[in-house]
Amino acid sequence: GNSVTQMEGPVTLSEEAFLTINCTYTATGYPSLFWYVQYPGEGLQLLLKATKADDKGSNKGFEATYRKETTSFHLEKGSVQVSDSAVYFCALRSPPGTNAGKSTFGDGTTLTVKP
Amino acid sequence: NAGVTQTPKFQVLKTGQSMTLQCAQDMNHNSMYWYRQDPGMGLRLIYYSASEGTTDKGEVPNGYNVSRLNKREFSLRLESAAPSQTSVYFCASTEPETQYFGPGTRLLVL
Repeated sequence: GNSVTQMEGPVTLSEEAFLTINCTYTATGYPSLFWYVQYPGEGLQLLLKATKADDKGSNKGFEATYRKETTSFHLEKGSVQVSDSAVYFCALRSPPGTNAGKSTFGDGTTLTVKP
Repeated sequence: NAGVTQTPKFQVLKTGQSMTLQCAQDMNHNSMYWYRQDPGMGLRLIYYSASEGTTDKGEVPNGYNVSRLNKREFSLRLESAAPSQTSVYFCASTEPETQYFGPGTRLLVL
């Protein structure tokens, strides 16, 4: 079945540091890949996504590139802010008709950014 | 648009009690989902509904039932709550691929 493995946390960085959160996946076919973010006390919300190989998703200074050859979708940001402190989830979604279009989530990585 | 709404936000139950968690979405999405979130375990799918009138089991369905009342509403019922069901429950709707989550229901079973 499908699976998502992401970098264990927690991750603690100083403001303006470079962020990488690793994510690798196992899936049949060509899934779509997502990063969701969860702020304290809230539900998950979409941060960025990529639907095919070599696509780059970007939003709010975060980027991730769909690498089919390494089955990876690592999240990066060049300069983190205190407001980026949250839990980040990598996820994949099977193409329509396979696996009933269900999503598979990683376990989440907690990021804390200190001033 | 309110997006995905969930009620209640918090609930404390005693073992053996029953309750229903409510979820509604106003985005006209076909697919809706119930997840539970536990520390260190990410999100686990309980049940989902690909369209009005259909429901299917997810990864951890035992102890739960669901009803897709109409296109907007998807409820989750605990018939006899157990301490192992203490968790945060999220409802989500999907269209076409992106999932939109509600704010969650925090449930404590004593």
